[in-house]
Amino acid sequence: GNSVTQMEGPVTLSEEAFLTINCTYTATGYPSLFWYVQYPGEGLQLLLKATKADDKGSNKGFEATYRKETTSFHLEKGSVQVSDSAVYFCALSGTGGGFKTIFGAGTRLFVKA
Amino acid sequence: DAGVIQSPRHEVTEMGQEVTLRCKPISGHDYLFWYRQTMMRGLELLIYFNNNVPIDDSGMPEDRFSAKMPNASFSTLKIQPSEPRDSAVYFCASSWRQETQYFGPGTRLLVL
Repeated sequence: GNSVTQMEGPVTLSEEAFLTINCTYTATGYPSLFWYVQYPGEGLQLLLKATKADDKGSNKGFEATYRKETTSFHLEKGSVQVSDSAVYFCALSGTGGGFKTIFGAGTRLFVKA
Repeated sequence: DAGVIQSPRHEVTEMGQEVTLRCKPISGHDYLFWYRQTMMRGLELLIYFNNNVPIDDSGMPEDRFSAKMPNASFSTLKIQPSEPRDSAVYFCASSWRQETQYFGPGTRLLVL
């Protein structure tokens, strides 16, 4: 079946460090891929997405590239800030409602000043 | 747009009481999702609707949970009777064609 696997947390970094959160997926067809972020006390919100192979999603300095050959969608940021402390969820969905959205378990990021 | 609206934001109740959570999705969205989030179990999909019709309720934990969507602008999740293990944050989300999901702020439920 379809699934999403992301690296376990928590991840603790110092401010201005480089961030990578790994995400791999298993899916039939050609899913859309997403990264959502959840700040303390809030609901999830979309961070970035990619809808086809080799697309790069980007937002707020975060980037992720849809790699079909490695079935991956790793999240990266060159220089994290304390305000990036949150939980990050990788997710996939079938285009046009082909199958339900599946979320990864989430990775908690702590950024120290 | 006001986004997804959930009420109440916080609910404290006693074991055995009925709890009703409410959600107003974003206008024009055709999918609505109910999730539960706890530290132990993470984010769990309970049920989702397409055009007001329940499509998959396999995540509903037991018969004490029920959800309805009487029209495109309103949905409820009901727990009767409530138990302490139901304590969690319940999120409603909506989307157009299962693309980006837009989450509400959540309802924090505590069952004593």
